[in-house]
Amino acid sequence: GENVEQHPSTLSVQEGDSAVIKCTYSDSASNYFPWYKQELGKGPQLIIDIRSNVGEKKDQRIAVTLNKTAKHFSLHITETQPEDSAVYFCAASIADMRFGAGTRLTVK
Amino acid sequence: NAGVTQTPKFQVLKTGQSMTLQCAQDMNHEYMSWYRQDPGMGLRLIHYSVGAGITDQGEVPNGYNVSRSTTEDFPLRLLSAAPSQTSVYFCASSYQGMSYNSPLHFGNGTRLTVT
Repeated sequence: GENVEQHPSTLSVQEGDSAVIKCTYSDSASNYFPWYKQELGKGPQLIIDIRSNVGEKKDQRIAVTLNKTAKHFSLHITETQPEDSAVYFCAASIADMRFGAGTRLTVK
Repeated sequence: NAGVTQTPKFQVLKTGQSMTLQCAQDMNHEYMSWYRQDPGMGLRLIHYSVGAGITDQGEVPNGYNVSRSTTEDFPLRLLSAAPSQTSVYFCASSYQGMSYNSPLHFGNGTRLTVT
């Protein structure tokens, strides 16, 4: 089955700096790559997603890039704010959705 | 619109006990699934359903049963709880199955402790 690896596991940035989280996937047939944000005591919430026919997508301060050849995709958050502090998960999907292990982002 | 509702929020079981985690969605979603979340391991798929009457196994199905008699409900049964099943359980639903690239909507989880 699909295997998704996510790095780093923890990330600490100063307010206003950028944060980058990277994921790789194993199955070249995966065609949908969402990113979720999880706040304490809550379920994950979708923040942005990208499909395999698109290389980059942006939504205000959040952007995702996809390199199908290398089988990796990344989340970029610019001008970070304290409310961006949370755990972020990447995922890859074909028949079912598989998640990375998560990145705990702290904005100081 | 309540979205995905999970009950209970917290549960403590003794080894060998059985219980059912409830999940209901009011969005008329065809696809429903159960994940468990353990520290450092992300979310792992237990079982999923692409519609009423249809269920299938995910990555870690052992020790769990599911059924889908209605579109709205997708309960997860632990037949004989073990300490290894201590985890946070999330139910999620999607408008269509994963092959249609639909995002998942998650409930707020059930924290289960097995002693």
